[in-house]
Amino acid sequence: DQQVKQNSPSLSVQEGRISILNCDYTNSMFDYFLWYKKYPAEGPTFLISISSIKDKNEDGRFTVFLNKSAKHLSLHIVPSQPGDSAVYFCAAPNAGNNRKLIWGLGTSLAVNP
Amino acid sequence: DTGVSQDPRHKITKRGQNVTFRCDPISEHNRLYWYRQTLGQGPEFLTYFQNEAQLEKSRLLSDRFSAERPKGSFSTLEIQRTEQGDSAMYLCASSFTEDRGYTFGSGTRLTVV
Repeated sequence: DQQVKQNSPSLSVQEGRISILNCDYTNSMFDYFLWYKKYPAEGPTFLISISSIKDKNEDGRFTVFLNKSAKHLSLHIVPSQPGDSAVYFCAAPNAGNNRKLIWGLGTSLAVNP
Repeated sequence: DTGVSQDPRHKITKRGQNVTFRCDPISEHNRLYWYRQTLGQGPEFLTYFQNEAQLEKSRLLSDRFSAERPKGSFSTLEIQRTEQGDSAMYLCASSFTEDRGYTFGSGTRLTVV
């Protein structure tokens, strides 16, 4: 059972435009969500997070929106740059004591010059 | 100490051999996680330490896998009698107990031939 879902395996946008990456979840007990970026042959790099008590968190070109009623979050990148091309993962720590991350399958973003 | 270090970055081994990977977490982080990632998937949880105590092991971790974290500092992950299905990227992450941020290492890419 996939508790964190990223239904778009890939996304292609033009440089300078907005990239919107989506994530849905099923477990209403999640209290925090994180976005990671991953280049091939490297470990995931933390991008931005949001607490479940917030609906928006912004950090530079990256903004994450959370809609708890829809169990949906999205990552907006504005403006998109070619260096943003990577796989983006949505993840949430499970509600137990170990706080292990539950991951989506990722969305591969290609930003075209 | 500015990040999580993993060694080696790449390992090619023959089926049936034993391999050991090392992870040096951020020094003040007392939580340490091992994940495994294969192509097209999000990272899969393998095991979790709080200080030197191994508090959880995934069912993915067969008896050929063992992890240690002596003295609550660095950690090792050993795979005995490697199989081709063990080929993956092995990721280590650390975090502080009350901190929801997780810092990942660059991973160890294992190829079993």
